[in-house]
Amino acid sequence: SQTIHQWPATLVQPVGSPLSLECTVEGTSNPNLYWYRQAAGRGLQLLFYSIGIGQISSEVPQNLSASRPQDRQFILSSKKLLLSDSGFYLCAWSVWRVTEAFFGQGTRLTVV
Amino acid sequence: DAKTTQPNSMESNEEEPVHLPCNHSTISGTDYIHWYRQLPSQGPEYVIHGLTSNVNNRMASLAIAEDRKSSTLILHRATLRDAAVYYCILTTTGNQFYFGTGTSLTVIP
Repeated sequence: SQTIHQWPATLVQPVGSPLSLECTVEGTSNPNLYWYRQAAGRGLQLLFYSIGIGQISSEVPQNLSASRPQDRQFILSSKKLLLSDSGFYLCAWSVWRVTEAFFGQGTRLTVV
Repeated sequence: DAKTTQPNSMESNEEEPVHLPCNHSTISGTDYIHWYRQLPSQGPEYVIHGLTSNVNNRMASLAIAEDRKSSTLILHRATLRDAAVYYCILTTTGNQFYFGTGTSLTVIP
């Protein structure tokens, strides 16, 4: 069966520090991969999505970047975190838009 | 990005049916309609999806208007575990899933 792993579950980082969140998927090949951010009490904002290795599309200009070094690995990064980067970050995968997307358990990031 | 409009909140009594509406007047002919729900501090969970015809699964039913500009998620008997934020989203030809602000469902015992 397919599973998605996302870590860490919680993270507290100082302003100006770097960030690296990792997401891996098991049990499927060539998935579409997604990074979302959810601010407190708000809906999910699509940040990045990828349809293949090295193919990243950015939805919102921001302080973050994403990379896909392997087929089932998706990384969200920042060189210098801002207070506004705090939020709940979710990784997701799908095979095709006509099927469902599966979400990880999320990382709650607090920038202090 | 494709847009959907949902009421911010709804209430239902336990064991009664719930109809959660969604408007998507700008939907294109190839967009699929998906519904997800999210419990606090968890990732969204898939509920149901469809294109043109009404759909049923073990969790819910999806009724899609004939012109596809609106849809309704139907929970046949609400339980306390159904209390969550429900998102209606459209998936585009580019494989993106765009979420709106959703409907917060409260189930009253």
